[in-house]
Amino acid sequence: KNEVEQSPQNLTAQEGEFITINCSYSVGISALHWLQQHPGGGIVSLFMLSSGKKKHGRLIATINIQEKHSSLHITASHPRDSAVYICAVSGGNDMRFGAGTRLTVKP
Amino acid sequence: NAGVTQTPKFRILKIGQSMTLQCTQDMNHNYMYWYRQDPGMGLKLIYYSVGAGITDKGEVPNGYNVSRSTTEDFPLRLELAAPSQTSVYFCASSWTSGDTGELFFGEGSRLTVL
Repeated sequence: KNEVEQSPQNLTAQEGEFITINCSYSVGISALHWLQQHPGGGIVSLFMLSSGKKKHGRLIATINIQEKHSSLHITASHPRDSAVYICAVSGGNDMRFGAGTRLTVKP
Repeated sequence: NAGVTQTPKFRILKIGQSMTLQCTQDMNHNYMYWYRQDPGMGLKLIYYSVGAGITDKGEVPNGYNVSRSTTEDFPLRLELAAPSQTSVYFCASSWTSGDTGELFFGEGSRLTVL
């Protein structure tokens, strides 16, 4: 079993839908990161959080440390949100990554 | 700002050849990392560095070497390339460790070993 599990693996949505991507982890962590990888391959950081909730535009990330679970929500999804979303957990100098959730938003 | 720059973007190697993937960052970050990404798998840490002159192994270091002579540069050396090293390689940097620092990634280098 991987230390970081994401669900779903693939997700197709219609433009405007509310989207949730889940991340569960089995190790102790100091922080959790959400990353976005576009079809061209580049990876950008969306959020880093260690407790509670963060919001940036239409994106919201939450974390429940006790349940070892985090969610990434996208409100009013748009085709430009189509990408792979990656969850990563950090403990010291070590970081473990989920396999990613491939999101396709159709117009 | 250039951020993290990796070269080359694409490379095909024959089995047994050697090569160096270059990584440069212009953000004066202390921490630098090399990851590999295989299809359907999460990124795996190859090597990392917490500052010039300091490097350490990650999860999958076999077949690779690194050096960190300056804050800006963190090259990854592949010796005696093998088909198992076919992958996409990402260099990343951060001001502090992943516990507190946002990660900045390069565009990736796609390596094929035939």
